Amino acid sequence: DSGVTQTPKHLITATGQRVTLRCSPRSGDLSVYWYQQSLDQGLQFLIQYYNGEERAKGNILERFSAQQFPDLHSELNLSSLELGDSALYFCASSVGGRHNSPLHFGNGTRLTVT
Amino acid sequence: DAKTTQPPSMDCAEGRAANLPCNHSTISGNEYVYWYRQIHSQGPQYIIHGLKNNETNEMASLIITEDRKSSTLILPHATLRDTAVYYCIVRVGEGSGGSNYKLTFGKGTLLTVNP
Repeated sequence: DSGVTQTPKHLITATGQRVTLRCSPRSGDLSVYWYQQSLDQGLQFLIQYYNGEERAKGNILERFSAQQFPDLHSELNLSSLELGDSALYFCASSVGGRHNSPLHFGNGTRLTVT
Repeated sequence: DAKTTQPPSMDCAEGRAANLPCNHSTISGNEYVYWYRQIHSQGPQYIIHGLKNNETNEMASLIITEDRKSSTLILPHATLRDTAVYYCIVRVGEGSGGSNYKLTFGKGTLLTVNP
């Protein structure tokens, strides 16, 4: 158990809908990262937050947004969903700051768009 | 981040040591080598990381060559549960300044442990 909790585990929704994925980082971790893994793309970095502030952006679509709350949990919002958004979405956390700490991943949310 | 090169697949007999190679010839002085593995559709699992010295923990050993251009992950006694995709990643240390500390995953090595 990595200590990173993601909910829900599975999500099935229709095209055009909006969903929210939730991540609770490990206790004491200030950085949160979001990744997308689809069959043909591998693990793709989406976005990183550190202590509530956005720190880095990767290949995140404009239809997607994220935030990190004062209690350090994070949410990834996906809107106007398309079939191609079906994927595993992983959250990871690390201590952040000036600590050379590894990322620890949750077990992901499997999103199916029908 | 420096790119890494790994063989796409490897086989290992159960109980034997698994030695997974990784080339990272363009690694910079402030970049660490990280190893993760992913067991079918689960979240990537952190294994070990190092800068220039060899490292060992309860899961594995990491051997980094003196010129730091390559490394080897060693699973000393592979079991069937070690069958997974193993990723070798280089990343700057978080103490080096800046904010881009993401891990960039390649295709990794599919290690199959056979009974």
